[in-house]
Amino acid sequence: DIQMTQSPSTLSASVGDRVTITCRASQSISSWLAWYQQKPGKAPKLLIYKASSLESGVPSRFSGSGSGTEFTLTISSLQPDDFATYYCQQYNSYFLTFGGGTKVEIK
Amino acid sequence: QITLKESGPTLVKPTQTLTLTCTFSGFSLSTSGVGVGWIRQPPGKALEWLALIYWDDDKRYSPSLKSRLTITKDTSKNQVVLTMTNMDPVDTATYYCANYGDYVGCVYWGQGTLVTVSS
Repeated sequence: DIQMTQSPSTLSASVGDRVTITCRASQSISSWLAWYQQKPGKAPKLLIYKASSLESGVPSRFSGSGSGTEFTLTISSLQPDDFATYYCQQYNSYFLTFGGGTKVEIK
Repeated sequence: QITLKESGPTLVKPTQTLTLTCTFSGFSLSTSGVGVGWIRQPPGKALEWLALIYWDDDKRYSPSLKSRLTITKDTSKNQVVLTMTNMDPVDTATYYCANYGDYVGCVYWGQGTLVTVSS
């Protein structure tokens, strides 16, 4: 099985900050990685697919990069609506796997 | 407009079998490349992928839960059913279904349904 490790698990930041979340795969997944945002009590929302493709309707302050085993999600200027938990997911292998999540909190 | 909605019991007893139904609209599970997956999330914890069924009836299960899961589809009813046997309190979670594409991952999600396992 491919394991996905996110870091940090919690991140404290202020509005306007540039925020970067890392996701590492236990083996190469090419670019088959998605990022999701989840707010309390809500279903996850797709932000990025295929490592760097922005889902329709998602603000351009969100961007994704990476390939192989190391990936990043960057929020260029954190907005009040962005305080949430973020998950990566690999969909390269026969089995899908989520990372453990990164909670972005208000500093 | 694509929508998905999960339905099933909110409370099950330990050792019982859970049956959840995902009813969807706006897409067809007979279209090449389309799938429907199930994901769960225990309270305060991370997302966990459970199972996936494709348009061609290809089925995939989480290795750790494979022996307990069965996923089926009824294309005519636009439904996907997940059964999980031998439920335990640790299986208490919100269960989501999602529309899945090999290129994009899980784009559309249901609202989720909380299942509590307790005697």
